[in-house]
Amino acid sequence: KNQVEQSPQSLIILEGKNCTLQCNYTVSPFSNLRWYKQDTGRGPVSLTIMTFSENTKSNGRYTATLDADTKQSSLHITASQLSDSASYICVVSPWAGRSKLIFGTGTRLQVFP
Amino acid sequence: SAVISQKPSRDICQRGTSLTIQCQVDSQVTMMFWYRQQPGQSLTLIATANQGSEATYESGFVIDKFPISRPNLTFSTLTVSNMSPEDSSIYLCSASGLNTPSYNEQFFGPGTRLTVL
Repeated sequence: KNQVEQSPQSLIILEGKNCTLQCNYTVSPFSNLRWYKQDTGRGPVSLTIMTFSENTKSNGRYTATLDADTKQSSLHITASQLSDSASYICVVSPWAGRSKLIFGTGTRLQVFP
Repeated sequence: SAVISQKPSRDICQRGTSLTIQCQVDSQVTMMFWYRQQPGQSLTLIATANQGSEATYESGFVIDKFPISRPNLTFSTLTVSNMSPEDSSIYLCSASGLNTPSYNEQFFGPGTRLTVL
C-alpha cells in the first residue's frame, strides 16, 4: 500500500535553532517527492520538489534530502524564524505522468521567541 | 507559479443545505483538483475536475454529494450537497499543468473553511 509517514507529529523549537523533519514512504513506483509548507488557514505552498536522481535541494533556509534507496527524505530548517511556524507536509508522486499525489499527515512546527 | 483564488473563503451553513465553492486560476491549466482537509488531518483528494467532461471521483466520494463543474481551463466549482456536520472541513482547489517541468507541480488555493451546524 502506498503510504507516506512523517515524524515527529509535532515539534516545538526556539527561534534561531535548527530542526529536521523526517518523511518515510512506501510509494512505488516513485517519480518525485515534494515538501509543502501550510500556514494555518492557508493552502499548501511548495518548498522543494526532488526526483529520484536528486539527493538534495535547497530553498533559502530550507534544505530537503532524499535517499531513494531507503525511501527516506528529510527537511532541514536552518536558523528558524517565527514565520516558520506551520505544518510541513511530505508528498510523493507515483508517476511523472499522473497527478494524483500521496500526502503525509504532516509535522506541526511551532517556533517560539 | 499560479495564483488560485477561492470563493467564499469561509461559510457557516445549516444542515440540509448546499454550498457551491468557486475556484479561479489566473492562467490556463491542464488539471484541476478538489481536496478536503479535515481538522488536524492531511489532504484527501475528492475528485479531478475534467474540462468538458464529468469529474473523476476518488473512492468514497460521489457525484450526487459533490457535483463538480469545469466549464473552461481556468475555472471550476465544487458543490457540497445536502450538508451535514460531518462535512465541516476545509475544501481546497488545486491546479497543475502550467509551464513547469514534468513534475506536474500542483499549486493550491487558500481553501474554503466550511462549518455546518
